[in-house]
Amino acid sequence: GDSVTQMEGPVTLSEEAFLTINCTYTATGYPSLFWYVQYPGEGLQLLLKATKADDKGSNKGFEATYRKETTSFHLEKGSVQVSDSAVYFCALSDGDSGTYKYIFGTGTRLKVLA
Amino acid sequence: DTGVSQDPRHKITKRGQNVTFRCDPISEHNRLYWYRQTLGQGPEFLTYFQNEAQLEKSRLLSDRFSAERPKGSFSTLEIQRTEQGDSAMYLCASSPRTGSYTEAFFGQGTRLTVV
Repeated sequence: GDSVTQMEGPVTLSEEAFLTINCTYTATGYPSLFWYVQYPGEGLQLLLKATKADDKGSNKGFEATYRKETTSFHLEKGSVQVSDSAVYFCALSDGDSGTYKYIFGTGTRLKVLA
Repeated sequence: DTGVSQDPRHKITKRGQNVTFRCDPISEHNRLYWYRQTLGQGPEFLTYFQNEAQLEKSRLLSDRFSAERPKGSFSTLEIQRTEQGDSAMYLCASSPRTGSYTEAFFGQGTRLTVV
């Protein structure tokens, strides 16, 4: 079945450092890909999305490009801030079955130090 | 529109008791999803509704779990005879009927602790 694999955390960076969180997926169809962020005790907030190959999603300085050839959707940010500390989830939604349910990775915790 | 609303935010219950959670989706969203998130893991799909019809249930949804969405508006998730393994965050999400339902909006979740 479909699956999402994320790099394990935690990832600890200094403020203004470059961030990469790797995400790869396995899907039989042509999924949409997402990054969600979760702050402590909260639900999930959509960070960015891409719905087809070579699309780049971007938001708040974060970017990710849908790479079909490598089945990847790595999250990047050029300069992280303390306020970016959270757990980041990569997810796919495959509409082939008509469900559009999400399949999530296990999450990567990011800690940014001042 | 205030987004997806879940109630309660936190619930502590004794093993064996029944609990019910409520989710109010964003108005006009046709689809409503329930997910369960255990500590250190990503959310896992439980079930979803299109309007009032429950169209798919995960194998994670044992006989003790039941979900409803009367009139296609709010939804409830009931767990009967709770077990310690039911302790988790229960997340609700809704999707608008635009394009291919690609974007889901999540509520803040209900954290259940079974003691």
